[in-house]
Amino acid sequence: KQEVTQIPAALSVPEGENLVLNCSFTDSAIYNLQWFRQDPGKGLTSLLLIQSSQREQTSGRLNASLDKSSGRSTLYIAASQPGDSATYLCAVSPSGANSKLTFGKGITLSVRP
Amino acid sequence: EAGVAQSPRYKIIEKRQSVAFWCNPISGHATLYWYQQILGQGPKLLIQFQNNGVVDDSQLPKDRFSAERLKGVDSTLKIQPAKLEDSAVYLCASSFDRSGNTIYFGEGSWLTVV
Repeated sequence: KQEVTQIPAALSVPEGENLVLNCSFTDSAIYNLQWFRQDPGKGLTSLLLIQSSQREQTSGRLNASLDKSSGRSTLYIAASQPGDSATYLCAVSPSGANSKLTFGKGITLSVRP
Repeated sequence: EAGVAQSPRYKIIEKRQSVAFWCNPISGHATLYWYQQILGQGPKLLIQFQNNGVVDDSQLPKDRFSAERLKGVDSTLKIQPAKLEDSAVYLCASSFDRSGNTIYFGEGSWLTVV
């Protein structure tokens, strides 16, 4: 059974800091890995998707990396801003055509002005 | 482009009562998902539809939860009778195909069972 872990559960940093959010998963047989953002009272927004054959993806100030063999992914946020405050969730989907996502519990990020 | 629509946004019911949630996916999306997110947890897949057929309902508590997707478009998730532990956000999502490469979530339906 796939398990996804995100530690720590919460993180508070000053504005402008570069930061790394970690995600680990137990079964390396994945189809893809996604990072989502969730604002309070809202649904999830996909930030970055990494296919199993890829090593990283970039979008603006965000960079996500994937190391399948070690079961790890990181989300790097450059020059953090108060608007980045949200919960960040990592999710993996299994090999094959089934897109069922297994989520971690998320990391709640607070960026202090 | 309109997003995934869900209603109602908020619902408070007493235990043993019933409740239904509605979802309208993005136009043209064949795959529809219902996820349950308990406070402090990541979302858990309840059921996945491909058009109007069920792909995965292995984590759906079938003694009290039911879902349907008529005509392969809108979907309804029903809980009857509700338990206290059903208090959660019910998230509907859709994607163009089963690969789930681009998945869009609605804002969720918040259920409180008292």
